[in-house]
Amino acid sequence: DAKTTQPPSMDCAEGRAANLPCNHSTISGNEYVYWYRQIHSQGPQYIIHGLKNNETNEMASLIITEDRKSSTLILPHATLRDTAVYYCIARSNFGNEKLTFGTGTRLTIIP
Amino acid sequence: DAGVIQSPRHEVTEMGQEVTLRCKPISGHDYLFWYRQTMMRGLELLIYFNNNVPIDDSGMPEDRFSAKMPNASFSTLKIQPSEPRDSAVYFCASRTSDRALGYTFGSGTRLTVV
Repeated sequence: DAKTTQPPSMDCAEGRAANLPCNHSTISGNEYVYWYRQIHSQGPQYIIHGLKNNETNEMASLIITEDRKSSTLILPHATLRDTAVYYCIARSNFGNEKLTFGTGTRLTIIP
Repeated sequence: DAGVIQSPRHEVTEMGQEVTLRCKPISGHDYLFWYRQTMMRGLELLIYFNNNVPIDDSGMPEDRFSAKMPNASFSTLKIQPSEPRDSAVYFCASRTSDRALGYTFGSGTRLTVV
């Protein structure tokens, strides 16, 4: 899996969009970008994934740069329940099953 | 769907005792994973099964750890004998045969060995 780099922490005001960046400059052509989050005392939760195109689901949007070296997870209207550690992972859909979570970004939503 | 169900949520045991953690994966999921999370080491994959067969147990720390999956709806992780350094949160996760759809994790079992 390609190495990913994320800021250790971020704050966002409740109701505003939270934009979480991730660098993955060594990502290979067959590696997807996955986002998971872990709310305190819970298991990691899958959010979204993408390869080249931007993706959107009911939880979030994923914007991937054209060169695929970085991406941004967008939570459009952050709520207090979005306070969590967010993990960006670059991995292919073949081979090693191990998910390497890294240290992630601790997002705090401020009331 | 109730998601991945783990029991117990919390376990406190004395060093040397046997501990059994349980997991019920999501119905229809072909793959089941056991992870361990500590502050020092983060999330570590211990073992995973495909169609009830153990595929990779290279992450199991020692012979004191064993895992079984007797059927598609149940798995156990056993530690015998337990040691204080085994204290951690143990997560079970499952997924379908389509890896792209991501993994569903349970709420975890917080194990404390005193």
